[in-house]
Amino acid sequence: DIQLTQSPSFLSASVGDRVTITCRASQVITSYLAWYQQKPGKAPNLLIYAASTLLSGVPSRFSGSGSGTEFTLTISSLQPEDFATYYCQQLHTYPDTFGPGTKVDI
Amino acid sequence: EVQLLESGGTLVQPGGSLRLSCAASGFTLTTHALTWVRQAPGKGLEWVSAISAGSGTTFYAGSVKGRFTISRDTSKNTLYLQMNSLRAEDTAVYYCAKYHYDSDGSRRLDPWGQGTLVTVSS
Repeated sequence: DIQLTQSPSFLSASVGDRVTITCRASQVITSYLAWYQQKPGKAPNLLIYAASTLLSGVPSRFSGSGSGTEFTLTISSLQPEDFATYYCQQLHTYPDTFGPGTKVDI
Repeated sequence: EVQLLESGGTLVQPGGSLRLSCAASGFTLTTHALTWVRQAPGKGLEWVSAISAGSGTTFYAGSVKGRFTISRDTSKNTLYLQMNSLRAEDTAVYYCAKYHYDSDGSRRLDPWGQGTLVTVSS
């Protein structure tokens, strides 16, 4: 199975900060990576797919980059509604594993 | 509008069985792959199983292979997860989600249902 790691696991930030989360895969997954945002008690919501494609309707302050084994999610200017947990997921090979998550807190 | 609605979660004893349902609307199951993802209390997301469009080929995580079975009823447009030999570590919120495929072969999960809670305890 392909393993994903995320760093950091916890991030303390302020409104307006630029935030970067890294996701690393245990083997090459080309660009088959998605990013999800999850708020407490809610289902995850897709933000970015194919490593860098922003889902329609997602604010442009979110961006994704990377290919191969290293990927990043960047929030250019953190907003109050962005405080949540972020997960990466590889969709290169079944099982479609998730990273352990990064909690972004105040 | 595409919607997914899970049901069937409840308290079950270790070693017991349970079947979860995911009612789909706004699309037909035969033309889209679907998946189950779970989240134990206070933990991260864990991919559990998937069923492909068309032929209905199934895929499982190692942690549930041989105990869980994913299936679909196209007449009811409903996805199922049959869970047998349940263990305490299967306690989680179970989400169903729809795969979206792009022309370049990339996949993504969107949308997700609201989830249903399964508690395995004596």
